[in-house]
Amino acid sequence: QQPVQSPQAVILREGEDAVINCSSSKALYSVHWYRQKHGEAPVFLMILLKGGEQKGHEKISASFNEKKQQSSLYLTASQLSYSGTYFCGTEVMGTSYDKVIFGPGTSLSVIP
Amino acid sequence: KAGVTQTPRYLIKTRGQQVTLSCSPISGHRSVSWYQQTPGQGLQFLFEYFSETQRNKGNFPGRFSGRQFSNSRSEMNVSTLELGDSALYLCASSAGTGYYRFFGPGTRLTVL
Repeated sequence: QQPVQSPQAVILREGEDAVINCSSSKALYSVHWYRQKHGEAPVFLMILLKGGEQKGHEKISASFNEKKQQSSLYLTASQLSYSGTYFCGTEVMGTSYDKVIFGPGTSLSVIP
Repeated sequence: KAGVTQTPRYLIKTRGQQVTLSCSPISGHRSVSWYQQTPGQGLQFLFEYFSETQRNKGNFPGRFSGRQFSNSRSEMNVSTLELGDSALYLCASSAGTGYYRFFGPGTRLTVL
């Protein structure tokens, strides 16, 4: 039931773009995106709901393909502060509302 | 609004002991979820409570239990501690289905 994330790790230079992907084998109600810096708690970035509603930070963009149960997080013009581990979390339709299961994470490092 | 608070922040226990961790959600949030985070296993879902009822449970042994009080504060208990229980325990509160989670700073448990 755990979603799959790719890539596992990515290194970027400041100003470059990155895409992090998340996929599930189950029909999803929502996809959540969080970033965790070393030694800190995960911080909310974006939630995407079935039906198209999105809530999140203005500078973050993401997509949710409901037919394929896939979501992508788009990081553009990366800054040093974007470094951290990105987790996607999923809520499965029908039986597991409010049970957010997280993927293994994608480590993102932005270098000068 | 005050954030999610967790106490204690650090704990050191020995094998066989038991431990109780506490989480106070954001005011007005009735859903509290608990996660175990270890370097190799990522964020593992333990359980979720809403209005004093456990609605969702992860794949952890019965040594892991929890409860929620009428003021939405939640506790989790781990009995007969094992070395493998050493981890960061995070709680997250939310307003409910379709809303994002706010994570607390976590409790770092070390089992010797």
